[in-house]
Amino acid sequence: QQQVKQSPQSLIVQKGGISIINCAYENTAFDYFPWYQQFPGKGPALLIAIRPDVSEKKEGRFTISFNKSAKQFSLHIMDSQPGDSATYFCAASSNNFNKFYFGSGTKLNVKP
Amino acid sequence: ETGVTQTPRHLVMGMTNKKSLKCEQHLGHNAMYWYKQSAKKPLELMFVYNFKEQTENNSVPSRFSPECPNSSHLFLHLHTLQPEDSALYLCASSPGGVNYGYTFGSGTRLTVV
Repeated sequence: QQQVKQSPQSLIVQKGGISIINCAYENTAFDYFPWYQQFPGKGPALLIAIRPDVSEKKEGRFTISFNKSAKQFSLHIMDSQPGDSATYFCAASSNNFNKFYFGSGTKLNVKP
Repeated sequence: ETGVTQTPRHLVMGMTNKKSLKCEQHLGHNAMYWYKQSAKKPLELMFVYNFKEQTENNSVPSRFSPECPNSSHLFLHLHTLQPEDSALYLCASSPGGVNYGYTFGSGTRLTVV
């Protein structure tokens, strides 16, 4: 059973547009929700993370929205740029598990 | 560099070969992980080490054998692999609690022929 479900699998956005990637989780024990960004030939890198005590976290053009009751969280990339083209992974965890459960990834292509 | 270094970056091996992947971190982290990344699949956790002790083996076939001699180094020994084992193998480390996030290496691209 996949603990974290991510959609869409791929996304094409025009430069300057908003990219939105969604994730849903199963386990209510999760209390840490990071997003990772992966460029070709590189390992994933932590982009932004949120804990369930807040509904939104913003860092520059990147925002996480969190809906605890729906068990969903999403990544919004404002003013998307071609340099944002990468694969994005959501994840969920708790210190009780000592590991992350990852979504299946979204390949984002921002067209110039 | 992220602070987690993996070598080699690319590896081609035959099904009867024995090879090893190496991971090194100088971040002072206490936990290290091996992940397998295949095309169109979620990241698959393989092994977890905390303070050099293996704390999780995620039903990984015995042809993959991990070794963690100290908190800074992690190896993955490979023998008699199958073509379906071709993938990107990622090493990650964390301070000891996952709620500080992982730091990943750039991975080893493994091709089994």
